[in-house]
Amino acid sequence: NAGVTQTPKFRVLKTGQSMTLLCAQDMNHEYMYWYRQDPGMGLRLIHYSVGEGTTAKGEVPDGYNVSRLKKQNFLLGLESAAPSQTSVYFCASTDDRLSGNTIYFGEGSWLTVV
Amino acid sequence: KNEVEQSPQNLTAQEGEFITINCSYSVGISALHWLQQHPGGGIVSLFMLSSGKKKHGRLIATINIQEKHSSLHITASHPRDSAVYICAVVKSYGGSQGNLIFGKGTKLSVKP
Repeated sequence: NAGVTQTPKFRVLKTGQSMTLLCAQDMNHEYMYWYRQDPGMGLRLIHYSVGEGTTAKGEVPDGYNVSRLKKQNFLLGLESAAPSQTSVYFCASTDDRLSGNTIYFGEGSWLTVV
Repeated sequence: KNEVEQSPQNLTAQEGEFITINCSYSVGISALHWLQQHPGGGIVSLFMLSSGKKKHGRLIATINIQEKHSSLHITASHPRDSAVYICAVVKSYGGSQGNLIFGKGTKLSVKP
């Protein structure tokens, strides 16, 4: 049971390039989330999904797009990377409302935009 | 002002010491999560609380809803407990699933 898997783990991008981060979970969870973690700040929600085919904006959605075509996968896209998007990205999932269940995180994806 | 505040920001302890990390919040919540993040690594859920107290091994988490405060205690601390401990609250408004608010974390270092 792999839990939540993120790929890639490390990536260096040039400004203006695009890329996609993949999050996969094997726990049949309905809810999936993408967060970014920056020094001196708490984790901030980028986008989330409450089920296959649904997505919603979080606190810091600008510059990112997401898709949830399959229940087990949640993709985070950077359309035109900017240095401000240099961060550590975490995917998470839970099988019900956050107030009733454990949240599972991936190992993180370190992204540097130069 | 941040909606979730943790104290202390940094904590150094000697092996064997009893450790307390505090979390205060200013919003109505339906639950609170304590998370652990090891250096360079992923984030692991330790506890999810909506009331009272939970214990798992050497870790104890308590919450006082009226005082809007939670504590994470580590008994008989060990160097492997060195990590960042993060408090996160689930705001109790509406039906949004995106309403998890994180503290900035407490960095714990336990010396042998």
